Amino acid sequence: KNEVEQSPQNLTAQEGEFITINCSYSVGISALHWLQQHPGGGIVSLFMLSSGKKKHGRLIATINIQEKHSSLHITASHPRDSAVYICAVRSKAYNTDKLIFGTGTRLQVFP
Amino acid sequence: GAVVSQHPSRVICKSGTSVKIECRSLDFQATTMFWYRQFPKQSLMLMATSNEGSKATYEQGVEKDKFLINHASLTLSTLTVTSAHPEDSSFYICSAQRDKAYEQYFGPGTRLTVT
Repeated sequence: KNEVEQSPQNLTAQEGEFITINCSYSVGISALHWLQQHPGGGIVSLFMLSSGKKKHGRLIATINIQEKHSSLHITASHPRDSAVYICAVRSKAYNTDKLIFGTGTRLQVFP
Repeated sequence: GAVVSQHPSRVICKSGTSVKIECRSLDFQATTMFWYRQFPKQSLMLMATSNEGSKATYEQGVEKDKFLINHASLTLSTLTVTSAHPEDSSFYICSAQRDKAYEQYFGPGTRLTVT
């Protein structure tokens, strides 16, 4: 079993829909990252969080440390949001800044 | 702020040659840089962790003599793929971190094709 699991693996939506991507992890963490990877390959760091909730524009990320779960929400989705969204955690166990990655959620938003 | 660049963005080379990929932090000093490899439709795989002025720490299964990493300054790390073979064809991504516990900022990646 992977230490970081994401769901769903693939997601399609109509423009304007509210989208939720989930991430569950099984290790103790010091931080969790949400990353966005566009078809060209470049990766953008969306959020780094260790507790609570963060918001940036139409994106919201939440984390529940007790339940070892995080969600990424996209409000009023747009075709340009189509990308792979990756959850990654920094594990306390390794005592390094290494990230453990989920397998990603491929999102397609249609007009 | 927090921009990381990679050069080149794409490279095609012949089997047996060596290729150098540069990773630069443009507006901050990176004490740690990470090198990742990504195969199609798969997640990133950490190859090595590079700290300025010291030897890189390689992940299990990554050949240090094949993937040479140099972190000569606080803004530059290089990955050299030596004696490249077609199976080394992949997407290589670096990330840079200002200090421990800080966010990692990712470069745009380098697509290597070995013919």
